[in-house]
Amino acid sequence: NAGVTQTPKFRVLKTGQSMTLLCAQDMNHEYMYWYRQDPGMGLRLIHYSVGEGTTAKGEVPDGYNVSRLKKQNFLLGLESAAPSQTSVYFCASSYARGRGYTEAFFGQGTRLTVV
Amino acid sequence: RKEVEQDPGPFNVPEGATVAFNCTYSNSASQSFFWYRQDCRKEPKLLMSVYSSGNEDGRFTAQLNRASQYISLLIRDSKLSDSATYLCVVNMKRDSWGKLQFGAGTQVVVTP
Repeated sequence: NAGVTQTPKFRVLKTGQSMTLLCAQDMNHEYMYWYRQDPGMGLRLIHYSVGEGTTAKGEVPDGYNVSRLKKQNFLLGLESAAPSQTSVYFCASSYARGRGYTEAFFGQGTRLTVV
Repeated sequence: RKEVEQDPGPFNVPEGATVAFNCTYSNSASQSFFWYRQDCRKEPKLLMSVYSSGNEDGRFTAQLNRASQYISLLIRDSKLSDSATYLCVVNMKRDSWGKLQFGAGTQVVVTP
């Protein structure tokens, strides 16, 4: 009963390095989201996806790219990491039900430090 | 103006007392509302959905006021284990997209 799985759980990057965070869900959800959370702040939406092959920008998309080639996976890429991207990253998924939407199911988070 | 706003707190609550707090949202077309709980920057977990008629789950009561565009959460008989950050979540439906928008959270500290 995996739900939403994020890998890796921890990572330290040097400034300028690139990396990809993987989010996988086994619930057949249409919607997937990437958030970042910084100390003292709430969750801020980076990018989201309403289905395979479709993505959209959230409120803080700069410096990130995403891809949703398969319905169950949502990848978040950092092309050139900066210290300002040090954060905890959460992936979530949800699905539409009637005229509304279900709650979001979260992964355990990825703690990224850029030095 | 933020799309979803919450009083950050902290709300310091004696054990056994009642605490209530609100969350306001800007998009009148929002259709789904939730309260999440987050502990120590772990992943948020669903506390309860918020229904139009209001709903209870044990010691927790959620209300929705569409006219004034806010939802509320009331915790009765507070326990030490209720200490957490409570996140308000609103589905901001625009066009065909279902974007879940989180408030910054309200911190609740229950003291012995």
